[in-house]
Amino acid sequence: DIRMTQSPSSLSASVGDRVTITCRASQSISNYLNWYQHKPGKAPKLLMYAATSLQTGVPSRFSGSASGTDFTLTISSLQPEDFATYYCQQSSGTPPTFGQGTKVEIK
Amino acid sequence: EVQLVESGGGLVQPGGSLRLSCSASGFTFSSYAMHWVRQAPGMGLEYVSGTPSNGGSTYYADSVKGRFTISRDNSKNTLYLQMSSLRAEDTAVYYCVRDRWAMVTFGGYFDYWGQGTLVTVSS
Repeated sequence: DIRMTQSPSSLSASVGDRVTITCRASQSISNYLNWYQHKPGKAPKLLMYAATSLQTGVPSRFSGSASGTDFTLTISSLQPEDFATYYCQQSSGTPPTFGQGTKVEIK
Repeated sequence: EVQLVESGGGLVQPGGSLRLSCSASGFTFSSYAMHWVRQAPGMGLEYVSGTPSNGGSTYYADSVKGRFTISRDNSKNTLYLQMSSLRAEDTAVYYCVRDRWAMVTFGGYFDYWGQGTLVTVSS
């Protein structure tokens, strides 16, 4: 299976900060990389698909980029509702696999 | 409005069986691949199983292969997960998830998720 490694595993940030989360694939996955946001007790929510495409309804402060097997999710100006755990997921190989998650906490 | 409602979770003893159901509404169920994803307590998301729109094939994580069976009834707009030989490590919230595409293939992504159903495996 393709292994996805996220960093950092957690971070503390303030409202208004720029936040960057990285995900590295164990092999080439082209741009088949998706990002999800998960809050406790809620269903996970799709943020980005195909590495750089913003899901309908997701604020434009979220963006994604890709370079080889490295992928990045950026939140340009952190808002109170953005405190959550973020997961990357590859859909190049079967089964799809998730990163271990990055928890974004309030500083 | 797309809705996915899981049911069938509960407490089961190790070695026991359980069947989860996911009732879908608000979209043409037979046009989309469907999946199960789980989250164990304090852990991250883990892919469990998936099937394309016609149910013609199935995919499983190694951790559940041979013990879990995914199926769907497109006439009832329902996805199932039959779980047997359950272990303590299967304890998790199980989410029913819709794929953007009809096939389980490159470029798929999970655009709608249910609220989840809790499965607890304990004696």
